[in-house]
Amino acid sequence: NAGVMQNPRHLVRRRGQEARLRCSPMKGHSHVYWYRQLPEEGLKFMVYLQKENIIDESGMPKERFSAEFPKEGPSILRIQQVVRGDSAAYFCASSPQGGPVNTEAFFGQGTRLTVV
Amino acid sequence: GENVEQHPSTLSVQEGDSAVIKCTYSDSASNYFPWYKQELGKRPQLIIDIRSNVGEKKDQRIAVTLNKTAKHFSLHITETQPEDSAVYFCAASKNNNDMRFGAGTRLTVKP
Repeated sequence: NAGVMQNPRHLVRRRGQEARLRCSPMKGHSHVYWYRQLPEEGLKFMVYLQKENIIDESGMPKERFSAEFPKEGPSILRIQQVVRGDSAAYFCASSPQGGPVNTEAFFGQGTRLTVV
Repeated sequence: GENVEQHPSTLSVQEGDSAVIKCTYSDSASNYFPWYKQELGKRPQLIIDIRSNVGEKKDQRIAVTLNKTAKHFSLHITETQPEDSAVYFCAASKNNNDMRFGAGTRLTVKP
């Protein structure tokens, strides 16, 4: 099991470009969370998805940001028209389908987005 | 959804002293409380967890306590060492659904 895979690890974009961040959850995991982390700060919740469904996007800015988790393929966090303030590390985490036995969520290595 | 508050945001202790980090949660149905450690430049990783059917769990120098009535749980690190310096996150979830994290505590252990 390869664990949670995020790519790219580092992404540089000019202001106004689009950034696409990918997260492949662990095998068998159907829940994905996206978090943003600014330097020297904690994790800020952005969005919680299950396969083909957005469960909670209350932490995600309503403009320019979108997320999806299709039936097939990775979860995508998309940031349109990036600005310098979008520079941060973006982590995704995955966990198994809900059920009576709780298990931990596993994090990917993160994508460090730099907007120049 | 669940809301998790974590305090303090930063904590500095002398090597050998104890460190305590506290979290509160809002959803009384939450039943799983993991703690993660994030070293500089790395991903958060699980260090210990507790389920709602127990009040305390220990693993060497690390212990977690849970008070379901008050809806708070704490991480205790005894005999701290410089390598304990990291950012620690608490989290809460309910039946593997909707795991929410606290904002994190930056722990610095001074030699």
